[in-house]
Amino acid sequence: NAGVTQTPKFRVLKTGQSMTLLCAQDMNHEYMYWYRQDPGMGLRLIHYSVGEGTTAKGEVPDGYNVSRLKKQNFLLGLESAAPSQTSVYFCASSYWPGNQPQHFGDGTRLSIL
Amino acid sequence: TQLLEQSPQFLSIQEGENLTVYCNSSSVFSSLQWYRQEPGEGPVLLVTVVTGGEVKKLKRLTFQFGDARKDSSLHITAAQPGDTGLYLCAGRMDSSYKLIFGSGTRLLVRP
Repeated sequence: NAGVTQTPKFRVLKTGQSMTLLCAQDMNHEYMYWYRQDPGMGLRLIHYSVGEGTTAKGEVPDGYNVSRLKKQNFLLGLESAAPSQTSVYFCASSYWPGNQPQHFGDGTRLSIL
Repeated sequence: TQLLEQSPQFLSIQEGENLTVYCNSSSVFSSLQWYRQEPGEGPVLLVTVVTGGEVKKLKRLTFQFGDARKDSSLHITAAQPGDTGLYLCAGRMDSSYKLIFGSGTRLLVRP
């Protein structure tokens, strides 16, 4: 009963390096989201997707790109990492954006040196 | 500025005490959710409220949505160490795909 799986769980990068965070869900959800969580700021939406092949910008999209080539996967990319992107990243999915719960992964802790 | 303000930010209480956490906004939400997050894990949904004035109970937890749908509260009766965690409120505005999260209330219940 996996739900939402994020890989990797931890990563340390140097400034300017690139990487991709992977999110996979096995619940056949249409909607998927990427958030970042910083101390005292709750969760802020980076990008989201309302279905396979679609993506849209959230509250803090700068410096990130996303892709949803398959319904079950949502990838978050950092092309040139900056120290300001040090954060915990959470992926979530839901059936419908209304009153349905968002199901979260356990997060990826990313440090940019 | 946060669209959803939660208070208090931190709360440390003794087991058995009661507490209330608040989630306030100047904006109207069509629904509001409360999540609990434990260290090293993602948030987990506790409840969704959709009607102004609505009250929902989940064992010792009581959730209320304000009449004007701009605020919400979470009341815990006889808190237990297992209630320790980060409590997040999240609101959805009409016609939006997105949830707006508050900054959270970190609760510590001491045995």
